[in-house]
Amino acid sequence: DIVMTQSPDSLAVSLGERATINCKSSQSLLYNSNNKNYLAWYQHKPGQPPKLLIYWASTRESGVPDRFSGGGSATDFTLTISSLQAEDVAVYYCQQYYSSVTFGQGTTVEIK
Amino acid sequence: QVQLQESGPGLVKPSQTLSLTCTVSGGSVSSGTYYWGWIRQPAGKGLEWVGRVYTSGIHNYNPSLKSRVTISLDTSNNQVSLRMTSVTAADTAVYYCARVDYSNSNALDIWGQGTMVTISS
Repeated sequence: DIVMTQSPDSLAVSLGERATINCKSSQSLLYNSNNKNYLAWYQHKPGQPPKLLIYWASTRESGVPDRFSGGGSATDFTLTISSLQAEDVAVYYCQQYYSSVTFGQGTTVEIK
Repeated sequence: QVQLQESGPGLVKPSQTLSLTCTVSGGSVSSGTYYWGWIRQPAGKGLEWVGRVYTSGIHNYNPSLKSRVTISLDTSNNQVSLRMTSVTAADTAVYYCARVDYSNSNALDIWGQGTMVTISS
């Protein structure tokens, strides 16, 4: 199984500041035949289902604000919120879909 | 607009079988380049993949749950079913169904609201 490890487990950021979440996979998620990284990011708020933010590691889902961006390749990935808003308080998960599906343990983002 | 809605008993006794249904509206469970997945979240913990079924009926499961889980399509009712045998308190969780369009994002792009299941006598 591919193990996904996120860091940090939680972070507190001031409104308007940048938040960065890291995600590391135990093996490469880059599929050489199409040059795509099989990684997605989700936002999960209490009482709601998770929401897809980013897929193919860096493609923003329709309707997702452009302050959310994804980067990285192979085994190391990042989710960046460029200017944190109050409504961004949530738990964020990375997920690989290269081989079956596994999620990271989640990162809680709070307001400092 | 595709929508998913989970349903099932909120309380199941230990050692019994849990059966959940995901009703799909706005699309067919048996056509298109999709698969339907089940994901669960125990209280205070993260998301855990349970398994999936393709529109063709092909399925695969989380290895840690494989011996107890069956996911299938009910095409007559346009539903996706989850069956889990020999449940224990560790199976207490919110269960979500979700869709993947593997011709597009290949990610879980549409989710149901989730249904809470408690395993207790």
